[in-house]
Amino acid sequence: GAVVSQHPSWVICKSGTSVKIECRSLDFQATTMFWYRQFPKQSLMLMATSNEGSKATYEQGVEKDKFLINHASLTLSTLTVTSAHPEDSSFYICSARVNGPSGRSGANVLTFGAGSRLTVL
Amino acid sequence: GENVEQHPSTLSVQEGDSAVIKCTYSDSASNYFPWYKQELGKGPQLIIDIRSNVGEKKDQRIAVTLNKTAKHFSLHITETQPEDSAVYFCAARKVSNQFYFGTGTSLTVIP
Repeated sequence: GAVVSQHPSWVICKSGTSVKIECRSLDFQATTMFWYRQFPKQSLMLMATSNEGSKATYEQGVEKDKFLINHASLTLSTLTVTSAHPEDSSFYICSARVNGPSGRSGANVLTFGAGSRLTVL
Repeated sequence: GENVEQHPSTLSVQEGDSAVIKCTYSDSASNYFPWYKQELGKGPQLIIDIRSNVGEKKDQRIAVTLNKTAKHFSLHITETQPEDSAVYFCAARKVSNQFYFGTGTSLTVIP
């Protein structure tokens, strides 16, 4: 089945530095990927929709200059947390939409990466 | 938009008993309802899903039911095992392909 690989799975950084998280679709092409943030014991909060070859669409309240998203190829989307601060510490998860049979949009399912835990000191 | 509510937030069952998690959605245009299992420190994994043209779907010990009229769907796990312990999320997908997630249910299966 479709696999989404996310790297790194765990990162610790100093306040003020930038961190890049990669999300790759291993055996399929993903024109659309999603980035979520998850706080402990809470649900998934959609941050942005990443579209290959175009600008990402950010959800209300998400700072686009803080969370830079690049989707330069059909198999890779990256999330860069710029000038990270302790309040940015969280679990970040990406997902990709997998087309169903015959590529029908109505059959799309969502496959998630394993997540990246960011700790900002 | 779409509003997905999930209950209960926590659930404890004895091993071998059944567990039921319920979700409601607000937008009648939603047409696809997946359930995800998330183990600690990992990403959500799809365990079962149902489309709006089906009322029930079963996969071994897991089943999902959908009531389109009432706009609710449920996850049923029978003969629970300790490895079923995890957080479960329901979701609803609109025709626009936007997914909306429930708030999660932490299931604990007591050996």
